[in-house]
Amino acid sequence: AQSVTQLDSQVPVFEEAPVELRCNYSSSVSVYLFWYVQYPNQGLQLLLKYLSGSTLVKGINGFEAEFNKSQTSFHLRKPSVHISDTAEYFCALSGSARQLTFGSGTQLTVLP
Amino acid sequence: NAGVTQTPKFQVLKTGQSMTLQCAQDMNHNSMYWYRQDPGMGLRLIYYSASEGTTDKGEVPNGYNVSRLNKREFSLRLESAAPSQTSVYFCASSESAGIAGEQFFGPGTRLTVL
Repeated sequence: AQSVTQLDSQVPVFEEAPVELRCNYSSSVSVYLFWYVQYPNQGLQLLLKYLSGSTLVKGINGFEAEFNKSQTSFHLRKPSVHISDTAEYFCALSGSARQLTFGSGTQLTVLP
Repeated sequence: NAGVTQTPKFQVLKTGQSMTLQCAQDMNHNSMYWYRQDPGMGLRLIYYSASEGTTDKGEVPNGYNVSRLNKREFSLRLESAAPSQTSVYFCASSESAGIAGEQFFGPGTRLTVL
């Protein structure tokens, strides 16, 4: 069985401050990892993905994530957030099954 | 390209009523998916279709049926709606059902069952 845990349901942060959204996973096989973003009243769109190779992955809108196999983590970071980054962020993994397993989501709120 | 489209955007049903949620994609993708999103639970897979002519159950299939009408269209049917099916439903598609494939999502259907 595979699972994804997003440790924080809500993360408030001031504009231009750095942010880290945490994601841990559990799987008995090798995994591919994804971060998706959902803006209010919209569907999800892909921010970045880790398939193989370099453990530091860069995505759209200045976000990056680091795959850490020993800690089974895939935390999302941005050095300086903007009001427009306010959204819900989902970590997801794909393992042996041809399906995505999603975490419960983290609501990022950027405060002026 | 419209990407993934879903109809309707909103729907209110009474317990026991039936309805079909429609989904279409114009990206020539082989695989399509139906998810439900509930607060604090992320997205859970209801059914998916790896390719035209095939469908498989996901994590939460009970109370739902699907039809892969053709390569473009994948519908989700609730035969007898229950309040527990109040949720936001998302359709998604991907080039293939390979585990590394990016999924593209529609805007969602907000369903309330009274």
